[in-house]
Amino acid sequence: GAVVSQHPSRVICKSGTSVKIECRSLDFQATTMFWYRQFPKQSLMLMATSNEGSKATYEQGVEKDKFLINHASLTLSTLTVTSAHPEDSSFYICSAVLASRNEQFFGPGTRLTVL
Amino acid sequence: DAKTTQPPSMDCAEGRAANLPCNHSTISGNEYVYWYRQIHSQGPQYIIHGLKNNETNEMASLIITEDRKSSTLILPHATLRDTAVYYCIVRGVRNDYKLSFGAGTTVTVRA
Repeated sequence: GAVVSQHPSRVICKSGTSVKIECRSLDFQATTMFWYRQFPKQSLMLMATSNEGSKATYEQGVEKDKFLINHASLTLSTLTVTSAHPEDSSFYICSAVLASRNEQFFGPGTRLTVL
Repeated sequence: DAKTTQPPSMDCAEGRAANLPCNHSTISGNEYVYWYRQIHSQGPQYIIHGLKNNETNEMASLIITEDRKSSTLILPHATLRDTAVYYCIVRGVRNDYKLSFGAGTTVTVRA
């Protein structure tokens, strides 16, 4: 149990286009999900907190108009990278909170490459 | 949340126990110690967490010192598949569930 999926696993896009990444909790409901970004040989950096039914909370330095987050249901959060640039190329990872077990479960990540 | 300090890397032999240390000297009474690991190009995997008492599950054991200023994650019989970056994270019991990842320890299990 407690599986989190992400789609797509890899995406390559042209500079200036928008890319949507989905994060789903497959066998549990998650009021809270998180989005992280990880550059090569670095640790995970929290980008934002996604709360079902309310606006996302962004960490300092993360542009909310560039990284649009929608958490429309208890099992789905989406991250849209708008007007992507090569410097947005990174590994994007989501997680979902299983509150009953006080644990956070991570998705497998999405590798974004912007040409 | 309190900061943690981990060695940047360690090697261990396949089949032997791997003991991963973590210092969290500024931990407060209501903060938990969490361990996650990340195998290359994958999302982090939850391993174990604890507050005061030692904990054990099918993956590992967590030993927390009495003063709670440090802890050790024990992988009882390391395999090559345990090669990963291991993160020790201290988290408070606030409702935001946020985790702050440091650099972690890169563990390499050698045959």
